[in-house]
Amino acid sequence: EVDLLESGGGLVQRGGSLRLSCAASGFTFSRYAMTWVRQAPGKGLEWVSSISGSGDTTYYADSVEGRFTISRDNSRNTLYLQMSDLRAEDTAEYYCAKATDTSGHNEFDYWGQGTPVTVPS
Amino acid sequence: DIQMTQSPSSLSASVGDRVTITCRASQGISNYLAWIQQKPGKAPKSLIYAASSLQSGVPSRFSGSGSGTYFTLTISYLQPEDFATYYCQQYNTYPITFGQGTRLEIK
Repeated sequence: EVDLLESGGGLVQRGGSLRLSCAASGFTFSRYAMTWVRQAPGKGLEWVSSISGSGDTTYYADSVEGRFTISRDNSRNTLYLQMSDLRAEDTAEYYCAKATDTSGHNEFDYWGQGTPVTVPS
Repeated sequence: DIQMTQSPSSLSASVGDRVTITCRASQGISNYLAWIQQKPGKAPKSLIYAASSLQSGVPSRFSGSGSGTYFTLTISYLQPEDFATYYCQQYNTYPITFGQGTRLEIK
């Protein structure tokens, strides 16, 4: 059974840093692209970043480009999101999602339960 | 960026009703369209991919159609557990983008 478990969220001051983790199980982690999606309180879903199965290709939303870094450790079956220079508008629930292929056009089939990040204004 | 526009933004319906939600893309996305369900306080759940294919375990009362710029999600016989917010999502091009959501409420 596929399971995605996010951790690392919390309260951080403006300009601070935080690293989120997503521990994956139940599938061959290295074979699938992974994505971070966030949801601000009371708002809709916003794509943040994606990474290929091998980790050699990454994509970022303009809103986080240069501040966030997505990475993965396929030996530990873990996805990461290093967040720096955090702003109030980064306050959100952060979800990791598993894609259905290693790269290219692919949808998500499983989502984690989310981890909250709060950056007070 | 490809803009995804859903309608309606909210919808009231009764158990047993048939409802349809539409999603329009600002440019053609072939069939790289997914539908996602989210209940209050819960994580999103993927329902449909490739515009019309059901994810494993999704009841057959859910169906999707469309291609290019116009897509629909239909729930044929609403059940109590279907009252939620629904999002469309395009994965044809980065950045991946979502519709603003359609909140389906009990009448």
